Amino acid sequence: KQEVTQIPAALSVPEGENLVLNCSFTDSAIYNLQWFRQDPGKGLTSLLLIQSSQREQTSGRLNASLDKSSGRSTLYIAASQPGDSATYLCAVRTGNDMRFGAGTRLTVKP
Amino acid sequence: GAGVSQSPSNKVTEKGKDVELRCDPISGHTALYWYRQSLGQGLEFLIYFQGNSAPDKSGLPSDRFSAERTGGSVSTLTIQRTQQEDSAVYLCASSALGGGSPLHFGNGTRLTVT
Repeated sequence: KQEVTQIPAALSVPEGENLVLNCSFTDSAIYNLQWFRQDPGKGLTSLLLIQSSQREQTSGRLNASLDKSSGRSTLYIAASQPGDSATYLCAVRTGNDMRFGAGTRLTVKP
Repeated sequence: GAGVSQSPSNKVTEKGKDVELRCDPISGHTALYWYRQSLGQGLEFLIYFQGNSAPDKSGLPSDRFSAERTGGSVSTLTIQRTQQEDSAVYLCASSALGGGSPLHFGNGTRLTVT
């Protein structure tokens, strides 16, 4: 059974810092890995999707990498802003469903 | 529609009552998922529909939970004889055909069982 772990569970940084969120998974036979953002009381917003054959994806200040063989992904956020404050979730698709990590709660202080 | 739509956004019910939660996926998306998110917890997979195939119900926590998807579009998640531990946010997601397609989530239904 696929297990997805995210560290750290919470992170607080001053505005402007670059930061890295980590995601690890136990079964490397994945279709893809997706990073989401969740604001309080809201659903999930897709940030980046990395297919199993890809190494990374970039969108604006966000860059996600995937090392399937070692079961790891990182989400890099450059020049963080207070508006980046949210919970970030990674999810791995193996078969029909996607397995989610518990998330990293990010706070960016002005 | 433009996105995944869920209704109601909030539902308060008494213990023992039945509830129905609705999900309207993005038009043309053949895959539909239900997840549950309890307070401070990660997302728990409940059920998956793909086209006309038999649904994957492996995540349903008990036989009080059931879901259907009519006409390959709208889905209803039903919880019978609700218990307090059923209180959570129920999230629906859809994706286009294919394992490489991203999931798109609705805003969820917050269920409170009193």
